[in-house]
This record gives sequence, structure tokens and C-alpha cells, in this order.
Amino acid sequence: SQQGEEDPQALSIQEGENATMNCSYKTSINNLQWYRQNSGRGLVHLILIRSNEREKHSGRLRVTLDTSKKSSSLLITASRAADTASYFCATGSTSGTYKYIFGTGTRLKVLA
Amino acid sequence: DTAVSQTPKYLVTQMGNDKSIKCEQNLGHDTMYWYKQDSKKFLKIMFSYNNKELIINETVPNRFSPKSPDKAHLNLHINSLELGDSAVYFCASSPRDRGSEKLFFGSGTQLSVL
Repeated sequence: SQQGEEDPQALSIQEGENATMNCSYKTSINNLQWYRQNSGRGLVHLILIRSNEREKHSGRLRVTLDTSKKSSSLLITASRAADTASYFCATGSTSGTYKYIFGTGTRLKVLA
Repeated sequence: DTAVSQTPKYLVTQMGNDKSIKCEQNLGHDTMYWYKQDSKKFLKIMFSYNNKELIINETVPNRFSPKSPDKAHLNLHINSLELGDSAVYFCASSPRDRGSEKLFFGSGTQLSVL
């Protein structure tokens, strides 16, 4: 079954506002990653957080991980129109075969 | 230089036909993947190869056959195409198969089966 579930499914904000997306997963993970997909393009890696980390920053991105709740959040601060895209979380598990399970994605629209 | 390239970008074909999608990566990665993204944007892993060896096969119909002639290439051949095969297929690669390294994706192949 699908590992990651993003929430909300769609988000529309004004430029300059912050955007927060959440991801929940079901089983033990080794790491959790966030990817961005622009329309008609492939996914681009944004940030990886390991299971022993609680928070990570990269530029305007802030990711948190709560393994007790099996959830993660991605915060994009001071959003720009260019941030308009779909955002996916992906979990890397060490149980069984090594593979990355993607969630359903959050479609973010940043209005100029 | 494109890191992960796949061809063709668009593929329109009739039901019952056989088609192939090619993928090449110039990143020197050991592991390559095929993912299928459906109309609801759900991305599901199909196959994974590590250094030309199949390591993941996610209950994909045997009409789908991956072929890895070397670790830089992972092609996907699909026999007897069905309407339900219509989707976007993404090739990806990663440095090591440990479930802990980031994926590099190609730009996708949009397959439309009529």
C-alpha cells in the first residue's frame, strides 16, 4: 500500500506567504525526502532528512521529521511564483527491499 | 548535459502494440529505477536495477520487461499495450541502493494508448 500521504492535496497562497505541507507514512524509515515536480517535468530532489534528525534547513526550505508520529512537514518561506509546483515526500525504508515510496503530492500554487 | 535522459518524451500508440522507452544516465550511478505516474499524479515504483541486476519488481504485469545492458542504461519494453498503461513513465537513478540516497529523475515519457 502507499507509504506517504501528503496534506493538503492542493494549496493556494499569495506570493510572500509561507507554505506548509505535511506528509504521513506508515512504516519505519531510514530517511524521508522531499521532491518538487514542475508541470510536465521530472521530479527534482529538494532535501533529505534522516530518521535520527528532527529538523533540517536548506535556503527557504525547512523540513521537520517526527518519527513517533510518522510525519514530516515541509515549510517554504517567503514563497515566490516560481515555487508553483507539486511537492512529494518519499520515504526510504530499510525493511525488506530498499526502495523509495512516494506520496500523492501537494499541488502548490503561488499567486503573484 | 542532461543527467538522466529518456526517450521518447511522447509516445502515442494503439492497443496491442509493443513499444520501448529508453533511459540513460551519465552520473555514474549504480542504481536505476522505473516509476509510473498515473493521472492522479500518484508515483509508483515499477522496477529497480542495481549494477545491471534486478532488485525490485513491484508486481508489474509481465508485459513490462526492463532491460539493462549496462549500469548506465535501463530500458523499458512493453508488450501488448493496454489502455490502462497510459501514464507518464519516469526513469531515475541514485548513487547507491541503500534507501538513503536521493533520486535523479528523467523528464518523463508520456504514453498514450488509444
